[in-house]
Amino acid sequence: DVKVTQSSRYLVKRTGEKVFLECVQDMDHENMFWYRQDPGLGLRLIYFSYDVKMKEKGDIPEGYSVSREKKERFSLILESASTNQTSMYLCASSSSGRTYEQYFGPGTRLTVT
Amino acid sequence: SQKIEQNSEALNIQEGKTATLTCNYTNYSPAYLQWYRQDPGRGPVFLLLIRENEKEKRKERLKVTFDTTLKQSLFHITASQPADSATYLCALDMRNDYKLSFGAGTTVTVRA
Repeated sequence: DVKVTQSSRYLVKRTGEKVFLECVQDMDHENMFWYRQDPGLGLRLIYFSYDVKMKEKGDIPEGYSVSREKKERFSLILESASTNQTSMYLCASSSSGRTYEQYFGPGTRLTVT
Repeated sequence: SQKIEQNSEALNIQEGKTATLTCNYTNYSPAYLQWYRQDPGRGPVFLLLIRENEKEKRKERLKVTFDTTLKQSLFHITASQPADSATYLCALDMRNDYKLSFGAGTTVTVRA
């Protein structure tokens, strides 16, 4: 079974803190994604990566950065957390080839106070 | 820009009945469409994929249709069970890269 794990299920941070969210997949997938999910807005893509050290902006990259130094690990960084970044963050991975389904991690519920 | 709309209301149905969910899209022509299930507090789980040249796809009690003229996909859960209660998301490919664009989801509650 494909497994995507995220470093924390729940996280509480203060405004202005630097926040790291980590994601690890164990299926040798080329593609990895970071989404945020808010009620009524669905999943919105923040960043994705199709190869090690490669990254592409998604629909809402402002305030975020990412790092992919190893194939299995994709990190999301909030440089200076703000209250409007309180959300559920979901990581996903997929094999190369556009039609392949995405496998999601359990999510991290981040609260910024 | 492309827009994806799913049933705006939550769906409450009696066990054994068929649940039908809609996914409408505008300003776009996806090559394929996927459906996911999401339980509370968990990540989405892939259910089905249907390509633009396919009219219908089935998997156990699930059936998906894809009408590229109407720009609509229908997702059916037949002989529904309380365990089918969840939020269901449709997702469209973006053709040009590896991205998917997701709808906001429809929450289904099946009453015993």
